[in-house]
Amino acid sequence: DAGVTQSPTHLIKTRGQQVTLRCSPKSGHDTVSWYQQALGQGPQFIFQYYEEEERQRGNFPDRFSGHQFPNYSSELNVNALLLGDSALYLCASDHRSRTEAFFGQGTRLTVV
Amino acid sequence: AQSVTQLDSHVSVSEGTPVLLRCNYSSSYSPSLFWYVQHPNKGLQLLLKYTSAATLVKGINGFEAEFKKSETSFHLTKPSAHMSDAAEYFCVVSDRGGYNKLIFGAGTRLAVHP
Repeated sequence: DAGVTQSPTHLIKTRGQQVTLRCSPKSGHDTVSWYQQALGQGPQFIFQYYEEEERQRGNFPDRFSGHQFPNYSSELNVNALLLGDSALYLCASDHRSRTEAFFGQGTRLTVV
Repeated sequence: AQSVTQLDSHVSVSEGTPVLLRCNYSSSYSPSLFWYVQHPNKGLQLLLKYTSAATLVKGINGFEAEFKKSETSFHLTKPSAHMSDAAEYFCVVSDRGGYNKLIFGAGTRLAVHP
């Protein structure tokens, strides 16, 4: 079992650019959540996808958007990047929010 | 709204001595509480969870935590620290609004010295 996989592992972007991060959930899981972990802080919930719909959203601007595909994989898109968007982005998956959430190793995004 | 407060940003212990990482929670109803560990360049791993069953919860790698409603605390302990325990630890509460939304504390960095 490959667990939750995220790509890429590291990414450097310029202010104002757009970025797409990808996540494949653990086998058997159908729900994907995204978290942002700034340096020295705990992860913060961005949003959650279930049945290809955004089901719940944290306190993040509309520049942050996502998508879930029929195979349950998910993308996180961030437009008009700011320096403050530099962080570790974590993806977590579970089965219908009734099981333990498993986390991927994250994508380290640096905005310069 | 639910929240967790980790009372120590850094804890340093010697190998073989006990570990205590402190966490207080705030919740308007009976919470689901977790401890996660994050090693450098690795994802978050669940150590243990409390979901209104036994108040003393045993987790992996010898860790355990006790849910104390009267003190609104969920402290993490281990009798004897190992060098491999050095990592960042997060106390987490699940949003009872459903959907497994996790609310993290700021984290406690545990250093273990020989």
